[in-house]
Amino acid sequence: QQPVQSPQAVILREGEDAVINCSSSKALYSVHWYRQKHGEAPVFLMILLKGGEQKGHEKISASFNEKKQQSSLYLTASQLSYSGTYFCGTGPNAGNMLTFGGGTRLMVKP
Amino acid sequence: GAGVSQSPSNKVTEKGKDVELRCDPISGHTALYWYRQSLGQGLEFLIYFQGNSAPDKSGLPSDRFSAERTGGSVSTLTIQRTQQEDSAVYLCASSSRPKNYGYTFGSGTRLTVV
Repeated sequence: QQPVQSPQAVILREGEDAVINCSSSKALYSVHWYRQKHGEAPVFLMILLKGGEQKGHEKISASFNEKKQQSSLYLTASQLSYSGTYFCGTGPNAGNMLTFGGGTRLMVKP
Repeated sequence: GAGVSQSPSNKVTEKGKDVELRCDPISGHTALYWYRQSLGQGLEFLIYFQGNSAPDKSGLPSDRFSAERTGGSVSTLTIQRTQQEDSAVYLCASSSRPKNYGYTFGSGTRLTVV
């Protein structure tokens, strides 16, 4: 069963913050986050493993709450380049394939 | 190679014809995945190869779909007797250690069945 992402779409002004949520009905081993720009392949952002760790890269970070089977992606001080569709991918076991959510369309306007 | 290479980038075929889509993963990546993405939709899992293990075919939508991976490297996804609902972008991805590493996706093959 695919994870549920929310919101489905969000529009921001440059410099604003956003949170994208990913929720699963199954116990999770890992959560991946990817960004896909129109007409391009998805690009890997980060992976979080069970243990409740939080990761960050510049102004994009994520958290993973394995008890709640949820992950959140945080984008702070958004830039135009952040526009795209964000997908979470969840893995119930180590080494298995990911099941992807339906995506969150993010548009950052000047 | 430097990235995951897929060919062809675009394929238009007539309904009922067979098509073959090719994926050349990053050298040394043991895991290879095929996903399908319909217009404006998420990524639908099709099949997963890990090293020399039997592939996980649980995502293949019908017996018209098959895939193989030769020599632990190049993979071919074959769709027989194509239908209009097979139209989508077929994405291949590879990973070095699927347990802890992200996927690198190819640019995809856009399949249009007319």
